[in-house]
Amino acid sequence: DAGVTQSPTHLIKTRGQQVTLRCSPKSGHDTVSWYQQALGQGPQFIFQYYEEEERQRGNFPDRFSGHQFPNYSSELNVNALLLGDSALYLCASSFRDGTYEQYFGPGTRLTVT
Amino acid sequence: GEDVEQSLFLSVREGDSSVINCTYTDSSSTYLYWYKQEPGAGLQLLTYIFSNMDMKQDQRLTVLLNKKDKHLSLRIADTQTGDSAIYFCAASKGPNYGGSQGNLIFGKGTKLSVKP
Repeated sequence: DAGVTQSPTHLIKTRGQQVTLRCSPKSGHDTVSWYQQALGQGPQFIFQYYEEEERQRGNFPDRFSGHQFPNYSSELNVNALLLGDSALYLCASSFRDGTYEQYFGPGTRLTVT
Repeated sequence: GEDVEQSLFLSVREGDSSVINCTYTDSSSTYLYWYKQEPGAGLQLLTYIFSNMDMKQDQRLTVLLNKKDKHLSLRIADTQTGDSAIYFCAASKGPNYGGSQGNLIFGKGTKLSVKP
C-alpha cells in the first residue's frame, strides 16, 4: 500500500520565479492538505482540497494556489517566490469517512536564493 | 485562533519513560494528535485522541488528555535511541466546522534526545 508521495524531493529556485510541487495521496484517500514548515517551526496549514475544490485556506497570500485532479493527486503552485518561501512543503492525505487521520508525505525541500 | 504550545527540548536515558507535554487554547478543538518527525523526513502519525476521551494507550505510547486544563501529554515507555526525534502536538476542530475535515494546528515541536 503506497503512502503519500511527493515530488520533487528538493528544489532550488531564484527569487521571482514560480514553482510547482506535486503530491499523490495514500491509496483510498480523497482529500489533500498542504502545509509549510519553516526551519525549526511546526507545519502551518496552507489549504485543503476535496472534490477538486479548495475547501479551506490558511493565512497564506494568493501567490499560493493549488489544484486537485480527478485521481485525487494535487499540485501546489507558488508564484513570485520570496526568500521567505524557503521551507519544507508537506502534503497530507485523508479520507472523509469520519476518521480524521492525516498522513503526511516526506515533503519537498524548497530553497529560494 | 488556536495556539498550541510545547516545551522545546527533553532529554532522557535509554530505558526510562519520556513524557512530552502540550497545551492548547481553543476548547472547541476536538481531535488532538501526536506526530513524530525524524531528521529530513516527513511527519509520522503516532496516535490521536478525541476530546471525549481521557486516555488512550497504544503499545508503548500513552496519551493523557485533561480537557479542563487543555493539556495533552504523550508518555513513551521504555524509551529507545530510535525514539530520538521531534514530536509535534496538533489540534483540529474536526468536520463539524464548515463541513470539511479540520486543518491541523501544530505546536513548534519537542526535540527528544535519548542517551544510551
